[in-house]
Amino acid sequence: EAQVTQNPRYLITVTGKKLTVTCSQNMNHEYMSWYRQDPGLGLRQIYYSMNVEVTDKGDVPEGYKVSRKEKRNFPLILESPSPNQTSLYFCASSSRLLVQGRFYGYTFGSGTRLTVV
Amino acid sequence: ELKVEQNPLFLSMQEGKNYTIYCNYSTTSDRLYWYRQDPGKSLESLFVLLSNGAVKQEGRLMASLDTKARLSTLHITAAVHDLSATYFCAVDGRSGNTGKLIFGQGTTLQVKP
Repeated sequence: EAQVTQNPRYLITVTGKKLTVTCSQNMNHEYMSWYRQDPGLGLRQIYYSMNVEVTDKGDVPEGYKVSRKEKRNFPLILESPSPNQTSLYFCASSSRLLVQGRFYGYTFGSGTRLTVV
Repeated sequence: ELKVEQNPLFLSMQEGKNYTIYCNYSTTSDRLYWYRQDPGKSLESLFVLLSNGAVKQEGRLMASLDTKARLSTLHITAAVHDLSATYFCAVDGRSGNTGKLIFGQGTTLQVKP
């Protein structure tokens, strides 16, 4: 089954304790990205990657790091989490290529609800 | 800067009624997406609209795209309770490429029996 897998689904951590949220896709997509969703602020992009070793900042990159060493994986790293990073996080992947003549757009992971206390 | 605006932001309607959600975007883009999100859940892709005049239908939902007006609509026909959710439109922020989605604020739809 084509999917984007995020782990963990839920995470409660303390301020300053480094954490990594993993994201993996099995569709050979070249594009991957991270979003955070907050009440009243909607969905905002944190980072995105156009291919292996190619990443760029989105709208709210402060406090986050990413790496893209393999095509299928795009982890989100919080080196020193703070309470303002408490949010619902989504990973997404996409391809500009057509699959059987059809463009499918973006596939989203199930989400990671992060609480920083 | 590309902006995407939806209206209304909240919609309460009776079962069996019809209504339309509007999505305006500020600069040229060649791809528009509609997603559905249930509370605490992920985003489910509803429609991908790729060209001016595109119209797609799935069940009681129909989406259309007018790239000249920079407007997309999501029309709900004979609403049922199961359609209660938040609906987002989104636009690719990079023309001719993918990777950066700009989302509207979302429209929360509540369908009452």
